[in-house]
Amino acid sequence: QVQLQESGPGLVKPSQTLSLTCTVSGGSISSGDYYWSWIRQPPGKGLEWIGYIYYSGSTYYNPSLKSRVTISVDTSKNQFSLKLSSVTAADTAVYYCARVSNFGDYYYYMDVWGKGTTVTVSS
Amino acid sequence: DIQMTQSPSSLSASVGDRVTITCRASQSISSYLNWYQQKPGKAPKLLIYAASSLQSGVPSRFSGSGSGTDFTLTISSLQPEDFATYYCQQSYSTFTFGQGTRLEIK
Repeated sequence: QVQLQESGPGLVKPSQTLSLTCTVSGGSISSGDYYWSWIRQPPGKGLEWIGYIYYSGSTYYNPSLKSRVTISVDTSKNQFSLKLSSVTAADTAVYYCARVSNFGDYYYYMDVWGKGTTVTVSS
Repeated sequence: DIQMTQSPSSLSASVGDRVTITCRASQSISSYLNWYQQKPGKAPKLLIYAASSLQSGVPSRFSGSGSGTDFTLTISSLQPEDFATYYCQQSYSTFTFGQGTRLEIK
C-alpha cells in the first residue's frame, strides 16, 4: 500500500525559501500512472492546491503561486519536492503531499495523502 | 481560474439525519468534481470522484451527483464519525478547492 511522508524544516524565516520533500513508499514514482501533488492549509482555513508533477518532470502550478513555486522529482530516491521562495507569514500552513490518480484518463483526484507537516514562517 | 463555492459554510445536524452539501463552479466543469472529508488534525480523505463515483472503502451512505456547474454531496443517514469538514475540488482545469463546509453535531 502506497504511503507518502512529508519532511523538512518546521520553521522558515521571512524572505527565505521553504523546502519540503515527500517520500513515496510502497510504490514507484516512475510507474507513470500518477501525478504527485502539493497542497497546503493555513491555520483554521481551507485547502489550497499548490501544484503537481509527473515523473517525467512536467509540472502544473496554481497561478496564484506560480512565480514562487518549484516542484521537482527525484525518481532515484522515489521522492518529489517543493520549493517556495520569498516566504511571508501568509505561507504558514500545514503542507500535504498527495498522489493524483485518474479514472478514464480524464478524471483526476487525490486518493493518497501524507499526514502533513507544519511550516511556520517567522523570524 | 475556476472558482468553487460551497454552501452552506457550516451546518448543524443530528445522527440519523439526511444531509446535503452543495458545490457550485464558476463555469461548467462537466463531471470533473471530487469530494473530500477532513477531520481535525488529519489529512483529507477522498470520498467521491468524477462527481458520483464512490471511492473504494467509503460507506454507501455517501453519494454525489451533478454535472456542469452544480453538484451535491449527500449523506443519507449521519453517523457520529461523519462530523467533519467537507471540501469539493474541481479537476477540469488543474485543481481548485471549495472553501469547505463544516458539519457539526446539533
